Amino acid sequence: GAVVSQHPSWVICKSGTSVKIECRSLDFQATTMFWYRQFPKQSLMLMATSNEGSKATYEQGVEKDKFLINHASLTLSTLTVTSAHPEDSSFYICSLREGRETQYFGPGTRLLVL
Amino acid sequence: DQQVKQNSPSLSVQEGRISILNCDYTNSMFDYFLWYKKYPAEGPTFLISISSIKDKNEDGRFTVFLNKSAKHLSLHIVPSQPGDSAVYFCAASARGSNYKLTFGKGTLLTVNP
Repeated sequence: GAVVSQHPSWVICKSGTSVKIECRSLDFQATTMFWYRQFPKQSLMLMATSNEGSKATYEQGVEKDKFLINHASLTLSTLTVTSAHPEDSSFYICSLREGRETQYFGPGTRLLVL
Repeated sequence: DQQVKQNSPSLSVQEGRISILNCDYTNSMFDYFLWYKKYPAEGPTFLISISSIKDKNEDGRFTVFLNKSAKHLSLHIVPSQPGDSAVYFCAASARGSNYKLTFGKGTLLTVNP
């Protein structure tokens, strides 16, 4: 399946700062990428669908002004957590779709906001 | 409203025996189902999938069974190996949903040597 990388793998930041997470497709041109968040012992929750060259589609309850998504190329999508607060601490994972349904996931980024 | 449910948070089996992981869903529009394996602090790894037009799909030690009338699917791992110990997520998507996946909460499988 497709190979997906994320950077950074973990980040610690102060409350009020912004954090950018990159998601790269290493061997596949992805017109669509997905961003998920997972809290401890919870399921993966879809935050938004990132579409190359257009605006992202956000799930209900996800603030688009707080979680900025940019999908400027077929191999890169970025998620910026703006003015991060401790409640934003979570595990953020991106994925891309290959074929009709199967999604391949990146290794995830652990965010800790102090 | 949990559309994909994995009611067993954990399962423990002996090495060499069969592991059976269960998943139930409520949305009758779901027509494609996937199983992922996840280690702590890593992204999920795709294992196997099944379309609603089938009732069984097999790949090596992994077999997924789908019972549409019961809205139930299961993942069988046989024989189980210690390296299979991980959290297993069931996921589903509906035609026309823009390929969005809905995940269950996962089942922690522990395979004891």
